[in-house]
Amino acid sequence: DAKTTQPPSMDCAEGRAANLPCNHSTISGNEYVYWYRQIHSQGPQYIIHGLKNNETNEMASLIITEDRKSSTLILPHATLRDTAVYYCIVRATGSARQLTFGSGTQLTVLP
Amino acid sequence: DVKVTQSSRYLVKRTGEKVFLECVQDMDHENMFWYRQDPGLGLRLIYFSYDVKMKEKGDIPEGYSVSREKKERFSLILESASTNQTSMYLCASSLKGMEAFFGQGTRLTVV
Repeated sequence: DAKTTQPPSMDCAEGRAANLPCNHSTISGNEYVYWYRQIHSQGPQYIIHGLKNNETNEMASLIITEDRKSSTLILPHATLRDTAVYYCIVRATGSARQLTFGSGTQLTVLP
Repeated sequence: DVKVTQSSRYLVKRTGEKVFLECVQDMDHENMFWYRQDPGLGLRLIYFSYDVKMKEKGDIPEGYSVSREKKERFSLILESASTNQTSMYLCASSLKGMEAFFGQGTRLTVV
């Protein structure tokens, strides 16, 4: 699975959009981009994933660049409960191996 | 909603004890996984299973074994607990190639 690079930490004001970047310059054509988050002392939670088109669900939006070498997770109206470590992972669908987690981005939503 | 349940949230065991960590999922997922999470090291895969009675080593299997006698249950066994196995243990399950769902974690302390 391709390696990802994320900033170690970010702050965001409550109610504003949080934009979390991820670089995955070695991504292969069959690899998806997955986002998870982990709130302190809980297990990781799946957020969203995509291949090349932008995706949106009730939690977030995922924007993938045309060359697929980077992506951005957008939380449109961040709340204090969105404070967590956010992990960007790339993985081939159908892979028997499980997701490899990097260090992620600590997002702190400020009141 | 998918539910992955780990038998204990907190556990304290003595060095040398045999320790069983249990994980049950209710969504008929083929894949189940055990990770440990340590500060500064992220999530590391210990073992995973893609079918009943099938298992594969992850990145750090030493000192651990697993059992999957039924599809919904995946057990992690510490044959002789040591202090360096003090950690947060996370179980996850998924359909093949799909997003993973995590349990709440078991914080194990070996004294």
